[in-house]
Amino acid sequence: AQSVTQLGSHVSVSEGALVLLRCNYSSSVPPYLFWYVQYPNQGLQLLLKYTTGATLVKGINGFEAEFKKSETSFHLTKPSAHMSDAAEYFCAVSETSGTYKYIFGTGTRLKVLA
Amino acid sequence: DTEVTQTPKHLVMGMTNKKSLKCEQHMGHRAMYWYKQKAKKPPELMFVYSYEKLSINESVPSRFSPECPNSSLLNLHLHALQPEDSALYLCASSSLLRDSYYGYTFGSGTRLTVV
Repeated sequence: AQSVTQLGSHVSVSEGALVLLRCNYSSSVPPYLFWYVQYPNQGLQLLLKYTTGATLVKGINGFEAEFKKSETSFHLTKPSAHMSDAAEYFCAVSETSGTYKYIFGTGTRLKVLA
Repeated sequence: DTEVTQTPKHLVMGMTNKKSLKCEQHMGHRAMYWYKQKAKKPPELMFVYSYEKLSINESVPSRFSPECPNSSLLNLHLHALQPEDSALYLCASSSLLRDSYYGYTFGSGTRLTVV
C-alpha cells in the first residue's frame, strides 16, 4: 500500500529565506507525486508534479521539488520565501493502477515571518 | 475555462434539512471527485465519477448522495446530516480517471455548517 509522510506540521521561515518542506513516500511501484498548496478558505492548487523523466521538477510560484528514489523523498523547496507563500502544503501520491486514487500527506503549514 | 466552480460557497443547514452542493466544470474532464476536508486535515475522498458513472464510493453514509447528471455537472445531495458532517466540501476534476497523474483541478469548496 502507498503512504505519504510529511515531516513537520508547522514550518516557519523568515521572508527571503530558503523554504524546505519534507515529503517521504512509500510505494511498491514507481509513484506519481504531487505538491498542492491551499490558501485559507480555498481549494487546493497544483504546484508541481513528478510522473516520469527529469527528477528535478519546477512548478509555479518559484517552487521546485526533486524526486529521489533512493531516499523515497520528494521535498519541496523555494530559494526565497515571500509573505504570500504562507499557506498549507500537501504532498500526495497517486496510485498508478487500479483506482488511481490520491493519498494525501497530513499537510505542512508554512508561516513566513517579516 | 480552466476552473471548477462550486456553489454555494457557504451553507448552514439544520439536521432535518435537505440541501444540495453543486460543482461545474467546462474543461471536458471526464472524471470528477468529491472530497471532505475537516479543519487542519488533508482532504478525504468521498466519491469518484468516471464518464458520469459512480466509480468509487469510499463507504460514505447514505445521508450523502452524489449525482452526475452530465459530463460537466456534479451534485452532492445532503439529507439528515449530523453536526460532525460540518466541513469544507471540495469538488475536483481530471481529464480521465487514468490520467490522474496530470493532477486534479479543485474548486474553492463549500463550507458546510450543520446546526
